[in-house]
Amino acid sequence: AQSVAQPEDQVNVAEGNPLTVKCTYSVSGNPYLFWYVQYPNRGLQFLLKYITGDNLVKGSYGFEAEFNKSQTSFHLKKPSALVSDSALYFCAVRDGTGGFKTIFGAGTRLFVKA
Amino acid sequence: EPEVTQTPSHQVTQMGQEVILRCVPISNHLYFYWYRQILGQKVEFLVSFYNNEISEKSEIFDDQFSVERPDGSNFTLKIRSTKLEDSAMYFCASSRDFSGANVLTFGAGSRLTVL
Repeated sequence: AQSVAQPEDQVNVAEGNPLTVKCTYSVSGNPYLFWYVQYPNRGLQFLLKYITGDNLVKGSYGFEAEFNKSQTSFHLKKPSALVSDSALYFCAVRDGTGGFKTIFGAGTRLFVKA
Repeated sequence: EPEVTQTPSHQVTQMGQEVILRCVPISNHLYFYWYRQILGQKVEFLVSFYNNEISEKSEIFDDQFSVERPDGSNFTLKIRSTKLEDSAMYFCASSRDFSGANVLTFGAGSRLTVL
């Protein structure tokens, strides 16, 4: 069965510093991996995805994520955090063997302090 | 930019009452989903819907739940007899295709409070 773990409930970082939001996954086939962000009173918005190819994928708003197959991880990163990055971030996985569902992690709240 | 819209944004109901949550997916999307998030917990898959039938459902989606696409635009989630534990944020999502790489577009959610 698919599963996603986000080990940190909250990540605090100062503006201008690099940020990392952690995610590990478990799937039975090749994984399709996603990051979504949720701002207050809004739905989840797509940030980036890994399907195949380069392990480092780039997405919206300067975010990137690194796929590590041996560690089954897909950590979200940004070189320099902005206060406006403060939001709830969800890692998600879809099993490449089929099925219609995308499975989400519990979410990590990112707080960027000015 | 096209949006998924959900109504109501917040509904309060008494235990045992029926609730219908409504969603208007993006017009050229073919796959529709309901997810829910109980406060402080993960976003959980409920059901996916394609070609006017359920394509997959989770163990949460029991006989108290049903989905329908009554016309060409709306996609509804009905909870027949609400329980306290149904209190959650319910998210509708849609996608253009079914490929593993498909991206879900979410609505802003409907908060259901069962008293």
